[in-house]
Amino acid sequence: EIVLTQSPGTLSLSPGESAILSCRASESVYRGYLAWYQQKPGQAPRLLIYGASSRATGIPDRFSSGGSGTDFTLTISRLEPEDFAVYYCQQYDTSPFGFGPGTKVEIK
Amino acid sequence: QSQLQESGPGLVKPSETLSLTCNVSGGSISGNSYYWGWIRQPPGKTLEWIGSIYYSGSTFYNPSLKSRVTISVDTSKNLFSLSLSSVTAADTSVYFCVRQGSSRGPAEYWSQGTLVTVSS
Repeated sequence: EIVLTQSPGTLSLSPGESAILSCRASESVYRGYLAWYQQKPGQAPRLLIYGASSRATGIPDRFSSGGSGTDFTLTISRLEPEDFAVYYCQQYDTSPFGFGPGTKVEIK
Repeated sequence: QSQLQESGPGLVKPSETLSLTCNVSGGSISGNSYYWGWIRQPPGKTLEWIGSIYYSGSTFYNPSLKSRVTISVDTSKNLFSLSLSSVTAADTSVYFCVRQGSSRGPAEYWSQGTLVTVSS
């Protein structure tokens, strides 16, 4: 089973700053089948990124991502007030399609 | 664009079976190559993928839950369902139904989620 870890656990930033979130897999995600989701309190997660680097429909270009193998990153440039949320990575390469523990991006 | 809405009891007794249904609108559940799945989230914790189903009935499950989970589909009613047997307090979670683009695909569309509490 592929286990995902995310760092940092919490990121305290101000609007306008950039956020860099890390997701590390215990084994290689060979086909780059890695997704990132954003979740706000009381809401369902929203798909941001799939295939490690492709933005989902309607996702602004201030969200970018990359990586391969076991190391992936999500970068949020110029944080907007609506970007403060919890972010999860998920690998969907090998069953079970597990999620990381999440990174909370909070307002400093 | 698919809309998903789950329904089912919000309280289940320990050792009983949790049953939820997800109604799909905005398109046929048999359309394209979509898979339809369930994901849950215990309060304050991360997400857990439960399993997915294709309209033909082909399923695959999280091995950690496989012995207790059944996902089924009713194409005539455009819905799919989750059954989780022998529940315990550890199964208390918000349950989401989702649409995946393929068998190995991210969850593109999500329901709003429903809290199911396991308690006597």
